[in-house]
Amino acid sequence: NAGVTQTPKFQVLKTGQSMTLQCAQDMNHEYMSWYRQDPGMGLRLIHYSVGAGITDQGEVPNGYNVSRSTTEDFPLRLLSAAPSQTSVYFCASSYRRISSGNTIYFGEGSWLTVV
Amino acid sequence: KNEVEQSPQNLTAQEGEFITINCSYSVGISALHWLQQHPGGGIVSLFMLSSGKKKHGRLIATINIQEKHSSLHITASHPRDSAVYICAVRSQSGSEKLVFGKGTKLTVNP
Repeated sequence: NAGVTQTPKFQVLKTGQSMTLQCAQDMNHEYMSWYRQDPGMGLRLIHYSVGAGITDQGEVPNGYNVSRSTTEDFPLRLLSAAPSQTSVYFCASSYRRISSGNTIYFGEGSWLTVV
Repeated sequence: KNEVEQSPQNLTAQEGEFITINCSYSVGISALHWLQQHPGGGIVSLFMLSSGKKKHGRLIATINIQEKHSSLHITASHPRDSAVYICAVRSQSGSEKLVFGKGTKLTVNP
């Protein structure tokens, strides 16, 4: 049982480049989400999904795109990287909806630097 | 004012001390989570509370819904407890959004 797996762990991008952060979970969780963590701020929700084929925006969705074609995978795409997207990104998952009060499982984090 | 406020921001203790970290929130909630973020960055869920008190090993979490306040206690603290502790709340509205505090950085010295 690998839990929540995020890749890559570290990435440096040039402004304007695109990339995809991968997130996979093997716990058959319906709910998956992406957060970013910036110094002096709490984790902020970027996008989330409550099941395959269903995604929705969070608090800071601009510049990011997601899809959920399978229960296991929830990739986060940076369409045209900007220095403001330099951050640490976390993927998380849980059974059913987060509003049902289920434990959250986080990935190890992805450190992204945009130069 | 942030919806979730944690105090203190930083806390240094000696091994063996009793630790208390506080979390206050301004919205009606359906649940509150305590998370631990290790120095390497990984985040682990410690507790999920909707009322009362929970205990796991040396960790105790309490919540007072009327006062909109939760505390995380660590008894007999150890250097391996050094981490950032994060409080997160889920609103009563049933929103999928968790609102996170900024975290409390705990350092336990031997």
